[in-house]
Amino acid sequence: KAGVTQTPRYLIKTRGQQVTLSCSPISGHRSVSWYQQTPGQGLQFLFEYFSETQRNKGNFPGRFSGRQFSNSRSEMNVSTLELGDSALYLCASSLSVSPTDTQYFGPGTRLTVL
Amino acid sequence: AQTVTQSQPEMSVQEAETVTLSCTYDTSESDYYLFWYKQPPSRQMILVIRQEAYKQQNATENRFSVNFQKAAKSFSLKISDSQLGDAAMYFCASNQGGSEKLVFGKGTKLTVNP
Repeated sequence: KAGVTQTPRYLIKTRGQQVTLSCSPISGHRSVSWYQQTPGQGLQFLFEYFSETQRNKGNFPGRFSGRQFSNSRSEMNVSTLELGDSALYLCASSLSVSPTDTQYFGPGTRLTVL
Repeated sequence: AQTVTQSQPEMSVQEAETVTLSCTYDTSESDYYLFWYKQPPSRQMILVIRQEAYKQQNATENRFSVNFQKAAKSFSLKISDSQLGDAAMYFCASNQGGSEKLVFGKGTKLTVNP
């Protein structure tokens, strides 16, 4: 069974631009979560989706948004990019929203904002 | 709000020896779960071990075991018979029952010396 895939793996953008990151969960998984990883702040929760509904949102500005499609694939969008948005963005999928379900992480998308 | 603290930014261990990574957490919830995740260099994050807060028995997974002290809000990871492949960043995390949202500590970089 294929693991969690994230595209693209690397992105370079300039300040003010917007970016869309994609996450394809493991087949059969319906829950997708997103995290931002930076050296300074560590791993911070962005969003949690289940069956196309956002269940939780982290403490990020409105420039960060996301959605989930009927096939469980998820996208996140960051508008008006700032230098501080440079980070590794990780996606994780699990079967459902039970905390006993293991969350499987993707390889991440490395975003660099110049 | 939940917080997770890892007080050891870096640790090292000799191959075949035992090492313990520390983690403390704070939560007002009665239903929560605790996790240790491993993130090898340039590789995907994987779940090492999970502990349900309502279970008194410490979780074990082969060479990995935890020491869960609920009253002290402490959740340490013991790695026995350390192997070169154990070298990685280790993150302690917690979530609340019913949510996939993970709160991570800052991580401990483990080096295994041959």
